[in-house]
Amino acid sequence: ELKVEQNPLFLSMQEGKNYTIYCNYSTTSDRLYWYRQDPGKSLESLFVLLSNGAVKQEGRLMASLDTKARLSTLHITAAVHDLSATYFCAVDIDGGSQGNLIFGKGTKLSVKP
Amino acid sequence: DSGVTQTPKHLITATGQRVTLRCSPRSGDLSVYWYQQSLDQGLQFLIHYYNGEERAKGNILERFSAQQFPDLHSELNLSSLELGDSALYFCASSVAPLGGETQYFGPGTRLLVL
Repeated sequence: ELKVEQNPLFLSMQEGKNYTIYCNYSTTSDRLYWYRQDPGKSLESLFVLLSNGAVKQEGRLMASLDTKARLSTLHITAAVHDLSATYFCAVDIDGGSQGNLIFGKGTKLSVKP
Repeated sequence: DSGVTQTPKHLITATGQRVTLRCSPRSGDLSVYWYQQSLDQGLQFLIHYYNGEERAKGNILERFSAQQFPDLHSELNLSSLELGDSALYFCASSVAPLGGETQYFGPGTRLLVL
């Protein structure tokens, strides 16, 4: 059974600090997706990582993918309150052939002043 | 705004009833995906349609069905509703079902079964 595991599931951080969210998956997918969800809202695409070693950055967020280790990380630099949200990673169920995603349980991030 | 629209936003109904959720994909997107989000199950892939044809099924119950119409909008039909079907239902769209495409999510329909 395909599993996507995120940790931590809950993260409380102070503004200005750095932290990393981890996403492990059990299939041989070389495509990984990161989404953000604000409370009561929809999902917003953050990154699509398409190959081993891929690294993408947007503002204070940087995502990377290691397909050999089946691991993706989402690194937060100098956190600000606006980053408070739930972050999901997802992989293609079919190894990338269809775009049908299986999601992790999400990491609820709370950034406090 | 992702460009994906869903109606209705909220739906309250009773056990045993049937409801239809509607989704219009972004202009130009041919793939529509349906997901269910609940506290206990998280985000689960239900079904995927591409250009009117069913492409893949995930954890979709037999009581649920979907279709995609020639104008590419999609409907998710939920019947014989149970309390446990209460959840947030999202549809998402992408240009093509190739994998590696960004999926754009709609605002969701929140279903409450009483």
